[in-house]
Amino acid sequence: TQLLEQSPQFLSIQEGENLTVYCNSSSVFSSLQWYRQEPGEGPVLLVTVVTGGEVKKLKRLTFQFGDARKDSSLHITAAQPGDTGLYLCAEATSGTYKYIFGTGTRLKVLA
Amino acid sequence: GAVVSQHPSRVICKSGTSVKIECRSLDFQATTMFWYRQFPKQSLMLMATSNEGSKATYEQGVEKDKFLINHASLTLSTLTVTSAHPEDSSFYICSGQAPVGTDTQYFGPGTRLTVL
Repeated sequence: TQLLEQSPQFLSIQEGENLTVYCNSSSVFSSLQWYRQEPGEGPVLLVTVVTGGEVKKLKRLTFQFGDARKDSSLHITAAQPGDTGLYLCAEATSGTYKYIFGTGTRLKVLA
Repeated sequence: GAVVSQHPSRVICKSGTSVKIECRSLDFQATTMFWYRQFPKQSLMLMATSNEGSKATYEQGVEKDKFLINHASLTLSTLTVTSAHPEDSSFYICSGQAPVGTDTQYFGPGTRLTVL
């Protein structure tokens, strides 16, 4: 069974600081999605990465996919209180499109 | 585009009663929808895969007779929690897969179920 481990589990930082969240798998990803979820709401898709070594940017968010496609990272530059939320990576199992979600990273950005 | 709605957003019921949750894809057709459960401060756990016009596929450990899923049209799937108990209290989230053949899922806003 593929497991997705995220680290850190919790992160509390001051506004303006940078941070990186990691997602690691026990096997190769076919593709990887990053989601952000706010309390009481469903996850919102941030990005999908498919190619090993791929880097995608979304404003202050930078997503990297490892060369071997077994790990990914999300880097946030100059974090803002609006970035607060639960960040989840998810991988679609090949052939079924079912998602396995990571353990999640709960981020709190203090003003 | 790719909006998924859920109804109700919150429901409180008594132990032993049944509760139905609706999941609708508003601007796309979802041949496949998924149902997840999320306990406080935890990640999402897939419960079942719902395919239009066929029986749902349940994940290991999920009781199919307790969590009834119906996917009668390309835009509507329902989850009925039968004979609910307090341990069924959770945040239930659905998603629709779109477009067909891609990995992307679009999630609903979730339904908070509290069983007294």
